[in-house]
Amino acid sequence: NAGVTQTPKFQVLKTGQSMTLQCAQDMNHEYMSWYRQDPGMGLRLIHYSVGAGITDQGEVPNGYNVSRSTTEDFPLRLLSAAPSQTSVYFCASKQLYGYTFGSGTRLTVV
Amino acid sequence: QQPVQSPQAVILREGEDAVINCSSSKALYSVHWYRQKHGEAPVFLMILLKGGEQKGHEKISASFNEKKQQSSLYLTASQLSYSGTYFCGTELFSLGGSNYKLTFGKGTLLTVNP
Repeated sequence: NAGVTQTPKFQVLKTGQSMTLQCAQDMNHEYMSWYRQDPGMGLRLIHYSVGAGITDQGEVPNGYNVSRSTTEDFPLRLLSAAPSQTSVYFCASKQLYGYTFGSGTRLTVV
Repeated sequence: QQPVQSPQAVILREGEDAVINCSSSKALYSVHWYRQKHGEAPVFLMILLKGGEQKGHEKISASFNEKKQQSSLYLTASQLSYSGTYFCGTELFSLGGSNYKLTFGKGTLLTVNP
């Protein structure tokens, strides 16, 4: 099992550009989530999904879209990147009890 | 709905003990504890479920006071490898169980020195 795989690991965007952060898991987990991590703010929930075709908003959803067409994939789309979206993004999927996190994507918006 | 963690930072010498606290103003279904080392992803340590069930790490223990919606993580006889930032995460209680939204506190930076 590869666990939770995130790509890319690093990305620099210009303000206004759009992009998709990829997240895939091979553990057949139903629950998946996206978090952003900023210094002093902890991990903040952006969007989450309880299964294929079902998504919902977290604490900080503005500026982000998600979809869940398969159990394995949960991509996060930035519609029009802003400097405030500079952050480290983590995707996670839920095991029976705890969550497994991907290695993260460090995004810089200039 | 973000849980509140305390303290924000702790400095220990190897072998000393520490307690990290987590509290919520809402009814909780579960409390999770994670450790994150610098530049790495958070790693699951333990989950405490409503009703008292506990699953997780062998050398780290925790408690969950359901009446007060509070949890504490106990790190005993600390080792250098315990250094990192500890996060509590909470799932709120909803009809049928969890609301499936794991929300994290701001973290506690633990430093263990030789």
